[in-house]
Amino acid sequence: DGGITQSPKYLFRKEGQNVTLSCEQNLNHDAMYWYRQDPGQGLRLIYYSQIVNDFQKGDIAEGYSVSREKKESFPLTVTSAQKNPTAFYLCASSILHNSYEQYFGPGTRLTVT
Amino acid sequence: ELKVEQNPLFLSMQEGKNYTIYCNYSTTSDRLYWYRQDPGKSLESLFVLLSNGAVKQEGRLMASLDTKARLSTLHITAAVHDLSATYFCAGAPGGYGGSQGNLIFGKGTKLSVKP
Repeated sequence: DGGITQSPKYLFRKEGQNVTLSCEQNLNHDAMYWYRQDPGQGLRLIYYSQIVNDFQKGDIAEGYSVSREKKESFPLTVTSAQKNPTAFYLCASSILHNSYEQYFGPGTRLTVT
Repeated sequence: ELKVEQNPLFLSMQEGKNYTIYCNYSTTSDRLYWYRQDPGKSLESLFVLLSNGAVKQEGRLMASLDTKARLSTLHITAAVHDLSATYFCAGAPGGYGGSQGNLIFGKGTKLSVKP
């Protein structure tokens, strides 16, 4: 069964702590993406990666970090430098030709108090 | 810089009625995507529109793309309650020759279909 998995589904942290969100795909997609969604808003791009060991900042990268050591995995770390980390985080992946259609994982809801 | 605007942002419809959601974008975007999101859930891909004049239909939903007008529409025919969700359109900055990495999303249209 091909797809994208994200874990955990819900995550609670205290302010000042770093936290890492997992994203794994077995679709053999080259590109992976992290988006943030705030209530009543669209998605905003945090980071994306088109190839292993390479990634680019999106529109709101400050306070976040990523790694891409394997094609299947693209973890996101929310650092203590992120001022408003509470949000719904969505990971996506795509091929890099034809439609470039992005497929989304189920999301992680992060609450920081 | 690509900007994507959807309207309306909220739409309350009666079952059986027709309506259209509009998606305007500011600069070149040769690809346009429509997604559906149910409350608390992830995004589900509905349509990918790749060229000017493209029209795609699935059930009661039909999407079209006019790249010259920088406009995509999502038309709902004879709405049913199961269509209640938030619908997002997204464009790709720069088209094929630009950065393929990111999508720019509209704020979404929250559709509520009432009996």
